Amino acid sequence: GENVEQHPSTLSVQEGDSAVIKCTYSDSASNYFPWYKQELGKRPQLIIDIRSNVGEKKDQRIAVTLNKTAKHFSLHITETQPEDSAVYFCAASNAGGTSYGKLTFGQGTILTVHP
Amino acid sequence: DAGVIQSPRHEVTEMGQEVTLRCKPISGHDYLFWYRQTMMRGLELLIYFNNNVPIDDSGMPEDRFSAKMPNASFSTLKIQPSEPRDSAVYFCASSLLDSLSPLHFGNGTRLTVT
Repeated sequence: GENVEQHPSTLSVQEGDSAVIKCTYSDSASNYFPWYKQELGKRPQLIIDIRSNVGEKKDQRIAVTLNKTAKHFSLHITETQPEDSAVYFCAASNAGGTSYGKLTFGQGTILTVHP
Repeated sequence: DAGVIQSPRHEVTEMGQEVTLRCKPISGHDYLFWYRQTMMRGLELLIYFNNNVPIDDSGMPEDRFSAKMPNASFSTLKIQPSEPRDSAVYFCASSLLDSLSPLHFGNGTRLTVT
């Protein structure tokens, strides 16, 4: 099955700096890569996702890049703000395949943005 | 839309007791998932359903765990008998049949087994 590794496990930045979180996956058939943000005591919420037919996607201060050859994808947050502090999870799945919807999550990254 | 609704929000029970967690997916969603979250193991998929039919239950830890989806608007996850190591946050999530549809999580049930 799919295995997703996420790094770093914790990340501390100053407000205004950029933050980068990296994930690698093992199943070359995976084609859908969402990122979820989970604030303390709350549910994970989708913040951005990317399909395997594109290499990069951007939404305001958040961007995700995908390297299918190397089987890794990254989340980039620019101009970080204290409200970006949360746990971020990457995930991968073979959307449309026989195991559709079976998202495999990374272990999570605790991001702390210091004012 | 009220989103995915889970109950109870918190459950405290003694070892050996039966625990039932409940979930109402978003109306019209075809897929329903049960996840368990712990600090040690992160987010683990336990089981998921498509059109009320269990598709993959390979993540269910053992026979003490069972899940049902009697209709499109309701699912239960049952643990019998419960053990302290079952303490975790259990999330239910749902999504559309669209192969590129994101998961929508409920607020979770925090289970504590003493």
